[in-house]
Amino acid sequence: RKEVEQDPGPFNVPEGATVAFNCTYSNSASQSFFWYRQDCRKEPKLLMSVYSSGNEDGRFTAQLNRASQYISLLIRDSKLSDSATYLCVVNRGGGFKTIFGAGTRLFVKA
Amino acid sequence: NAGVTQTPKFQVLKTGQSMTLQCAQDMNHEYMSWYRQDPGMGLRLIHYSVGAGITDQGEVPNGYNVSRSTTEDFPLRLLSAAPSQTSVYFCASSSTRTSEAFFGQGTRLTVV
Repeated sequence: RKEVEQDPGPFNVPEGATVAFNCTYSNSASQSFFWYRQDCRKEPKLLMSVYSSGNEDGRFTAQLNRASQYISLLIRDSKLSDSATYLCVVNRGGGFKTIFGAGTRLFVKA
Repeated sequence: NAGVTQTPKFQVLKTGQSMTLQCAQDMNHEYMSWYRQDPGMGLRLIHYSVGAGITDQGEVPNGYNVSRSTTEDFPLRLLSAAPSQTSVYFCASSSTRTSEAFFGQGTRLTVV
């Protein structure tokens, strides 16, 4: 079993749709959590950090459930420019080891 | 703003050749790391460093060496290239153990 698992995708949605990505992690000592975005043939870039209280950045909402070891990302009112791969990222405790999920690809169509 | 700079962007090697992928950051970050990205596998950690003179192995270290003689530079050396090392390699840096990672643009390596 992978340490960080994500929905395999791809997700194909029309513009304006709401789409949710899920992620689970297995190491209960994990300390920090992120969603990264990766465009085709580009480097990953931070989309947002994820906090236990939940956090929102415009159309994006991230949630963390430590008890269930579950992370989610909600995108509202999808835009064509949201088409990308979304990576769930977990940083373990006890050292610098950042673990990436395999990513979920999103295609937003007109 | 330079951020994290990786060179080269593309490279083709023959099996058995060695080479060094360069990585430099100008943000004075203590933490640097190397990942490889393969289809369906996500990014896997090869080696990382928590400061100059300190390196450690990640998830897939075999066939790779690293060194960290300065805060700015973290080169990755392929000792004897194999076709299984065909991949996209990313270098990243971060200011603390748990903070955001900044990535270089990647190196697309093909071993034939």
